[in-house]
Amino acid sequence: AQSVTQPDIHITVSEGASLELRCNYSYGATPYLFWYVQSPGQGLQLLLKYFSGDTLVQGIKGFEAEFKRSQSSFNLRKPSVHWSDAAEYFCAVGPPSGTYKYIFGTGTRLKVLA
Amino acid sequence: DSGVTQTPKHLITATGQRVTLRCSPRSGDLSVYWYQQSLDQGLQFLIQYYNGEERAKGNILERFSAQQFPDLHSELNLSSLELGDSALYFCASSRSGTSGPGELFFGEGSRLTVL
Repeated sequence: AQSVTQPDIHITVSEGASLELRCNYSYGATPYLFWYVQSPGQGLQLLLKYFSGDTLVQGIKGFEAEFKRSQSSFNLRKPSVHWSDAAEYFCAVGPPSGTYKYIFGTGTRLKVLA
Repeated sequence: DSGVTQTPKHLITATGQRVTLRCSPRSGDLSVYWYQQSLDQGLQFLIQYYNGEERAKGNILERFSAQQFPDLHSELNLSSLELGDSALYFCASSRSGTSGPGELFFGEGSRLTVL
């Protein structure tokens, strides 16, 4: 079955510390991969996406993610977290063709300590 | 601003009632997706329309229906509402052409409270 797992429901980091949010997927083929961020009271905003090519992708707000096919993972990273990064982060997969039924993970809520 | 507009932003109604949520996609986007976000279920895909036709269906209840109109706006109709239908309903749009899925652009959501 197709699924996306974000094993960490909550993560707390200090401002200035590095961050890694984990995402694992189960899919029949290499899917299209996305990370979205949801600030309180807002819709989801795309941080970055991977379709093909370089497995390290850069996104907005200083985020990057690395696709590892052997581990079926697409972890999100940021070298130095800012207080404004506190939000909920969602990993998502989409099929490379056919009906575009995106699957979202359950999200990781990030808290940033001053 | 994602360019996706959802109305109303907030809605409070009673059990058994019917409501309609409206979504205007980004200019040029042909696909509209509806998602339900609740605390215990996360972000659940409900249904997708592409250029007026239903393209994919997810965990959408029979009490719920949707359509996409010729001007590409979409409506999600929720009927016989139950307490458990209280949630944030998101609309998203994408170009979603034949070359594979593009990124989704989300509206700010419609928060439905059923009392």
